[in-house]
Amino acid sequence: DGGITQSPKYLFRKEGQNVTLSCEQNLNHDAMYWYRQDPGQGLRLIYYSQIVNDFQKGDIAEGYSVSREKKESFPLTVTSAQKNPTAFYLCASSAARDSIPATFGSGTRLTVV
Amino acid sequence: AQSVTQLGSHVSVSEGALVLLRCNYSSSVPPYLFWYVQYPNQGLQLLLKYTSAATLVKGINGFEAEFKKSETSFHLTKPSAHMSDAAEYFCAVTQYGGYQKVTFGTGTKLQVIP
Repeated sequence: DGGITQSPKYLFRKEGQNVTLSCEQNLNHDAMYWYRQDPGQGLRLIYYSQIVNDFQKGDIAEGYSVSREKKESFPLTVTSAQKNPTAFYLCASSAARDSIPATFGSGTRLTVV
Repeated sequence: AQSVTQLGSHVSVSEGALVLLRCNYSSSVPPYLFWYVQYPNQGLQLLLKYTSAATLVKGINGFEAEFKKSETSFHLTKPSAHMSDAAEYFCAVTQYGGYQKVTFGTGTKLQVIP
């Protein structure tokens, strides 16, 4: 079945470490997105990519980095510069560059220990 | 600028009762509006979308929403709640040509009481 796979499901990070969250899709979608979700808040856009080798910052990009070397993959790195990284991270995709994110992965819950 | 406000972070209904989840929007240009549903520890699923065609939009699982420009509202309804409807619901807004910049509401958790 087609969909988005996020891994790992749970991730623990020590202070000062960089960690990378994986997002893979087999839907042949052009656009991919990373969102952060905190309790009682809506989703906030971190980065998005409309095409391979291109990506743009969202509303809260500071302390995060991404790459889009392959159409099916859009990994997110949470760097040590991100002061409050504990959150639920969601990856999403859309079929075309001009359509809204309609397919989401099951998320990665990141906790700083 | 665009935003959505969801009234009520928690809503409880009895099984079989009407579901009404409220969403008001603010947008400087004609908006596109959406409702998503999220089950625990899962991603979001698109329930329905308004993109300036019919003002009454029907979605999956028996949900529908009506765009009311005069009230700047896009409330989500379902005539009869089912236990499986218990989830968190998010209203969202974007603009033509800016689909990547979807702004989400803070969510409403729906509890269905047997």
